[in-house]
Amino acid sequence: AQKITQTQPGMFVQEKEAVTLDCTYDTSDPSYGLFWYKQPSSGEMIFLIYQGSYDQQNATEGRYSLNFQKARKSANLVISASQLGDSAMYFCAMRESGSARQLTFGSGTQLTVLP
Amino acid sequence: NAGVTQTPKFQVLKTGQSMTLQCAQDMNHNSMYWYRQDPGMGLRLIYYSASEGTTDKGEVPNGYNVSRLNKREFSLRLESAAPSQTSVYFCASRSGGVNSPLHFGNGTRLTVT
Repeated sequence: AQKITQTQPGMFVQEKEAVTLDCTYDTSDPSYGLFWYKQPSSGEMIFLIYQGSYDQQNATEGRYSLNFQKARKSANLVISASQLGDSAMYFCAMRESGSARQLTFGSGTQLTVLP
Repeated sequence: NAGVTQTPKFQVLKTGQSMTLQCAQDMNHNSMYWYRQDPGMGLRLIYYSASEGTTDKGEVPNGYNVSRLNKREFSLRLESAAPSQTSVYFCASRSGGVNSPLHFGNGTRLTVT
């Protein structure tokens, strides 16, 4: 079974509007972390935001926030006031407890911001 | 502050050739990772090294070997390249904290013909 599922291969949003990128995850581990990364067309991977499974509040970083619904096992990324520079591929990833704590990635969502 | 440095950036190989992808980090991180990225499949873990002197297989290790040369360097070797290994390869590192993100290199685009 997929550990991380991103069901939106592509999304479009108008500049200055908010957009939500979906991510659901599957784990039986009570301790885990969820990460979002941005990959612009230049190819580098940029860390955006982190949410721990025991965190009581949803994570926020500037225009990025994470809508964490633990019972539904979802960790959606919300980008407010979209900018043209937000056009990129976005990956959701999960780290479960374990010796090496490697990240497992979803297949990504390609976001295009329209002027 | 270089972060994670990967070389080369691009490489074209013929089937059966060998090569080593180099990775070095200057952040004193304990853990290092090699991922491959293929269209529609996200990033998949090839090998990782939780600490200097240890290496372990990830999700897709077949056809690859790794060496953790020291704390800074973690190399990935393709002994006999195959077209299925055409991909973008990312090296990453992280510190030990449970919430620590991966820091990625800029990737190596490998084409095997």
